[in-house]
Parts: sequence; structure tokens; C-alpha cells
Amino acid sequence: AQKITQTQPGMFVQEKEAVTLDCTYDTSDPSYGLFWYKQPSSGEMIFLIYQGSYDQQNATEGRYSLNFQKARKSANLVISASQLGDSAMYFCAMREPLSSGYSTLTFGKGTMLLVSP
Amino acid sequence: ETGVTQSPTHLIKTRGQQVTLRCSSQSGHNTVSWYQQALGQGPQFIFQYYREEENGRGNFPPRFSGLQFPNYSSELNVNALELDDSALYLCASSPGTSGISDTQYFGPGTRLTVL
Repeated sequence: AQKITQTQPGMFVQEKEAVTLDCTYDTSDPSYGLFWYKQPSSGEMIFLIYQGSYDQQNATEGRYSLNFQKARKSANLVISASQLGDSAMYFCAMREPLSSGYSTLTFGKGTMLLVSP
Repeated sequence: ETGVTQSPTHLIKTRGQQVTLRCSSQSGHNTVSWYQQALGQGPQFIFQYYREEENGRGNFPPRFSGLQFPNYSSELNVNALELDDSALYLCASSPGTSGISDTQYFGPGTRLTVL
């Protein structure tokens, strides 16, 4: 089963509008972390926002907020007031502890966001 | 700028050759992870080092190997290159011991093409 599912291959939004990028995850561990990264065409993965499974409030970082619905196992990224520079690939990722004691990131397949003027 | 650098930026090799990719982590970041990102896919975890010892490995064959050095630099070595090894290789460093809240900061990647 996929650990991270991003069902939207591509999204279009007009400048200054808000957009929601969907992410659902699958884990049986009560302790996990959820991350969103942005990858422009240059290739570098840019960290945007983090949400811990025990965090009571939804995470926010500037124009980015995470709509965390634990019972639904969803962690959607909301970008408010889109800008042309937001056009990029967006990846949802999860960290969960493994039996070996370490953890690493598992990524979804990504959503391509295009912002038009 | 994450402070993570990778070299080279691009590389072209032929099948059967060996390649070494390099990464320089942020100072103080004791954990480095390597990922392979095929075209149109999300990054796939290759392996991870903490203080010069491998402490995690993804589903990659032994011809993928690595090293981490005390000066926060690391290497990914791939032997007997195959066409499917063509991908963007990303290095990521993090300050902690890869706990669930430990944020990884990525370098710009090395794009490897195998002909």
C-alpha cells in the first residue's frame, strides 16, 4: 500500500487565489511527522512546513498552512494568495519510526502547481 | 539556501561504469541521507548515515554504497551502472538523529544520465 498518496497530478490556480494540495497517508504508528516540500524546476527540494502527529494545532508558516485531519489521515497544504513563483512540484512526505530505531522520509508522487497571471 | 551543496551538477556515464557523487552538509548536521528521484516520481530513500555509520537503508542493491566523513561531507558510490540508474540524486542533511520531527534540508541534486 502507498504510504503517501497525492491524487492531484496537476493543479491550476490564478495569481492571488488560494489553493489546496491534497495528501493522505497511511501508518499504524501513533507517532509520525508530516512534511511538505516544494521542488522548482531547478531540482532543489525546499522545506515548507511540518506537522507532528501529536500537535494540537494546524501548522502555519507565512502563506502556507497545513490542514491536518488526523482521523481522515489527511494533511493538505493550503497556499494562500498564490504567486507566480509558487509554480513548482509539491511533495508531501512522512517520517515514522522504524523498528531499527531510525526514521526517514517517504514521499508521495507529487502535485505540479501552475500559477497563472 | 540550505547550506547543502552537491557536486557535480550533471554527469553522463555509460553502462557498467562506476560513479561517485559528493555532498557537503550544513555544519553541525550529523545525519545525511541520499535519495534517488526518477523522472516524474518522488524521491526514493537510498541510505542514511549518522556520525559516519550507516543507520538505515532503503530497497537498493549493494552496488549503491556510501561514506560519511567527519568534516560533514559524504559520498554516494554506484558500481556497475545500469540504464535505470539515470535519475536526480539528492542529498539531505539534518541536525538531529533522524527523529520524526527532524527536518531534512536538501541540496540541489546531481543529475546522472547513464547511456
